[in-house]
Amino acid sequence: GAVVSQHPSRVICKSGTSVKIECRSLDFQATTMFWYRQFPKKSLMLMATSNEGSKATYEQGVEKDKFLINHASLTLSTLTVTSAHPEDSSFYICSARDASSFEQFFGPGTRLTVL
Amino acid sequence: AQSVTQLDSHVSVSEGTPVLLRCNYSSSYSPSLFWYVQHPNKGLQLLLKYTSAATLVKGINGFEAEFKKSETSFHLTKPSAHMSDAAEYFCVVSEPANQAGTALIFGKGTTLSVSS
Repeated sequence: GAVVSQHPSRVICKSGTSVKIECRSLDFQATTMFWYRQFPKKSLMLMATSNEGSKATYEQGVEKDKFLINHASLTLSTLTVTSAHPEDSSFYICSARDASSFEQFFGPGTRLTVL
Repeated sequence: AQSVTQLDSHVSVSEGTPVLLRCNYSSSYSPSLFWYVQHPNKGLQLLLKYTSAATLVKGINGFEAEFKKSETSFHLTKPSAHMSDAAEYFCVVSEPANQAGTALIFGKGTTLSVSS
């Protein structure tokens, strides 16, 4: 089946630093990728939709200057959390939409802890 | 706009008894509906999906769900619970698959506990 990877799986950083999370579709092309955030014992909240070669579309309430998204190729999207603060600590999950089947596949998630 | 409501935040069953996780949806279109499972500290796994074919959908690990348009429901069931079924379950709605750029909308989740 289709595989989506995320790197890193866990990251701990100091407040004020930036962290980049990668989302890769390993065996299919994804024109669209999605970034979600999941708080403990809560549902997934869609942050933004990332389309290859164009600007991401952010959901209401998500700061685009804080959560920078780049989708430079059909297999890679990155989320950069800039000037991270403890309240940014969360589980970030990406999904990739297969360009041919339109099915979505989820990555395993990245646990971000900001000290 | 699409939305899903998972009617129970927590369901507890005994091993070997049936499981019922309830989900109601709202959609302006003919929806695609999914159930995902998330085990602790693990990624999301697709259990099953409905995309306007058969209304009774069979998934992995013995789970199935029935799409009932008249009731706008897509409840998840399993005849006999196993200890390994304990996890978080999400009901998810999407617009039809041919509309590019559409994200999945997640319900709030139902925690399933299974006791021996």
